[in-house]
Amino acid sequence: ETGVTQTPRHLVMGMTNKKSLKCEQHLGHNAMYWYKQSAKKPLELMFVYNFKEQTENNSVPSRFSPECPNSSHLFLHLHTLQPEDSALYLCASSQSRGDQETQYFGPGTRLLVL
Amino acid sequence: GQNIDQPTEMTATEGAIVQINCTYQTSGFNGLFWYQQHAGEAPTFLSYNVLDGLEEKGRFSSFLSRSKGYSYLLLKELQMKDSASYLCAVRDSDYKLSFGAGTTVTVRA
Repeated sequence: ETGVTQTPRHLVMGMTNKKSLKCEQHLGHNAMYWYKQSAKKPLELMFVYNFKEQTENNSVPSRFSPECPNSSHLFLHLHTLQPEDSALYLCASSQSRGDQETQYFGPGTRLLVL
Repeated sequence: GQNIDQPTEMTATEGAIVQINCTYQTSGFNGLFWYQQHAGEAPTFLSYNVLDGLEEKGRFSSFLSRSKGYSYLLLKELQMKDSASYLCAVRDSDYKLSFGAGTTVTVRA
């Protein structure tokens, strides 16, 4: 399944580094999402983009900065992260935010902040 | 906030049946999803319920009772490859998807 791809798959960074996560969807969808998945915790919705416009920021700290240049690509820019930000970051897409639209997930980026 | 509960872990034998329960309390309801997630992989869509009743899809079935805020995922004829985490997710009146913490199912030979 290569409908939603994410790079890199693994990332180790120091607290002073700047890095970016990339997501690309090949499904012709119009909505894209960033989620954080920590061990033994529910997926937490971070950001939602619908037709390239950010429609939701779920009280995410400013050290996470999303960018959506077009409906197929989504980035998450990271800077001055904390060790508690270590988690699996999942990207998802759907046809739209409307009714009965299923979200399809990428494989995630496993992030470790030292 | 939303509240979605499911058991943390379940163990069953190959060929058996396992039922994973999910209870929820959300602000409005616009559908319930079940996803399967193998370790280190993407969650993959299994089923969607928006009306009460049972939806069957091969070895997997999902049931919903909106009045009780309750769903279950039924896995029949368990296979080793079914060992995974199963995520219950509910879409609220704002079309936001909220997830439970997941149920890790281990299938033993």
